[in-house]
Amino acid sequence: QVQLQESGPGLVKPSETLSLTCAVSAASIGGFYWSWIRQPPGKGLEWIAYISSRGSTTYNPSLKSRVTMSIDTSKNQFSLNLGSMTAADTAVYYCARCGEDCYTIDFWGQGTQVTVSS
Amino acid sequence: QSALTQPASVSGSPGQSITISCTGTSSDVGGHNFVSWYQQYPDKAPKLMIYDVSNRPSGVSDRFSGSKSGNTASLTISGLQSEDEADYYCSSFTTSRTHVFGSGTKVTFL
Repeated sequence: QVQLQESGPGLVKPSETLSLTCAVSAASIGGFYWSWIRQPPGKGLEWIAYISSRGSTTYNPSLKSRVTMSIDTSKNQFSLNLGSMTAADTAVYYCARCGEDCYTIDFWGQGTQVTVSS
Repeated sequence: QSALTQPASVSGSPGQSITISCTGTSSDVGGHNFVSWYQQYPDKAPKLMIYDVSNRPSGVSDRFSGSKSGNTASLTISGLQSEDEADYYCSSFTTSRTHVFGSGTKVTFL
């Protein structure tokens, strides 16, 4: 069963760029789509973006101007960059697999807490 | 894109059945049969319970079932058990090829 593990800084300063990486194990990253989702404290889930194994991306329109996703098939991992961070971006960030056509987000990482504070 | 609308909370007695609704638009829930449901315990990652409106992944109890009518999808939990107390989120693939989640529903025992 595919396993996903997020890594990155737990604390980011306002206006800086968040960089997170998701390492995929027990399965090849090829042939699937991969996604990022976040959850602010005490609130619901928000889909951020997804990327195909060939590097094609789709972003949430509300975050599109600040988001970049990339993928490294040689390392079996993918990444998220979110610019111009503010306190409103404080959340648990999850990476997840999005299936062969990305109709369903099926397997999730455990999540990583990111706090925006000076 | 706006979050799909779910009731904030639903309560039931052990053994009862409860239903959680998820209302969207013709651009998401009504536009595809790609509605999913997730169960989330506090401080844990969501777990896929239903996909493609009514399909259960391997290992998910058959007490969980899904359906859809027009722009509203529903999750039914039958024979409510203590371990079913959790937050539940719906999600839909959209006609713009994006994803949108519901606002979330807390299931509790009466």
